[in-house]
Amino acid sequence: QVQLQESGPGLVKPSETLSLTCTVSGGSISNYFWSWIRQPPGKGLEWIGHIYRSGITKFNPSLTSRVTMSLDTSLSQFSLKLSSVTAADTAVYYCATQSGPYFSFDLWGRGTLVTVSS
Amino acid sequence: EIVLTQSPGTLSLSPGERATLSCRATQSVSSNYLAWYQQNPGQVPRLLIFNTSRRATGVPDRFSGSGSGTDFTLTISRLEPEDFAVYYCQQYGSSPWTFGQGTKVEIK
Repeated sequence: QVQLQESGPGLVKPSETLSLTCTVSGGSISNYFWSWIRQPPGKGLEWIGHIYRSGITKFNPSLTSRVTMSLDTSLSQFSLKLSSVTAADTAVYYCATQSGPYFSFDLWGRGTLVTVSS
Repeated sequence: EIVLTQSPGTLSLSPGERATLSCRATQSVSSNYLAWYQQNPGQVPRLLIFNTSRRATGVPDRFSGSGSGTDFTLTISRLEPEDFAVYYCQQYGSSPWTFGQGTKVEIK
């Protein structure tokens, strides 16, 4: 059973870059599309983007100018970088994937709260 | 971008009652690629339904999904205590994948 675990700083200063890593265990990182999804406190879900084993990425157009994703198959990790953050980027960040051929998410990490504040 | 609007915002019902949640899209969802998730406070979203009507592994059969095009429905036939939660729809027919704003099902 594939398991996901997010890690990274819980506090980021405004204008700086948010960096998170998701570690994959129990399965091959080469087999799936790997997504980041976020949820501001008390609000709904927003898909940030995904990366595939070949390094192909797709991002939400609302964030594309600030987002970078990468994949390290040797470490079974994939990463998110979000630049020039503001308080509006404060959210629980989830890594997620799908076990089947459809882009509905049945596998999620526990999520990590990132607060943007000076 | 496809915007999903869920209604009602809050549904107040009693255990044993039937819940009907709506999700409406601003344009047709390709191949009816629509999913439903359940989220309890402080918990991770849980996939209930994908491809409009297919139950995810382990989801009780009191949950069912229907619809096509721009109008979709999640029905919970008889509410159990653990079903009181927030429900989100998500479309994955057109990138970017988008979510509705959620419907809260609360105990009346």
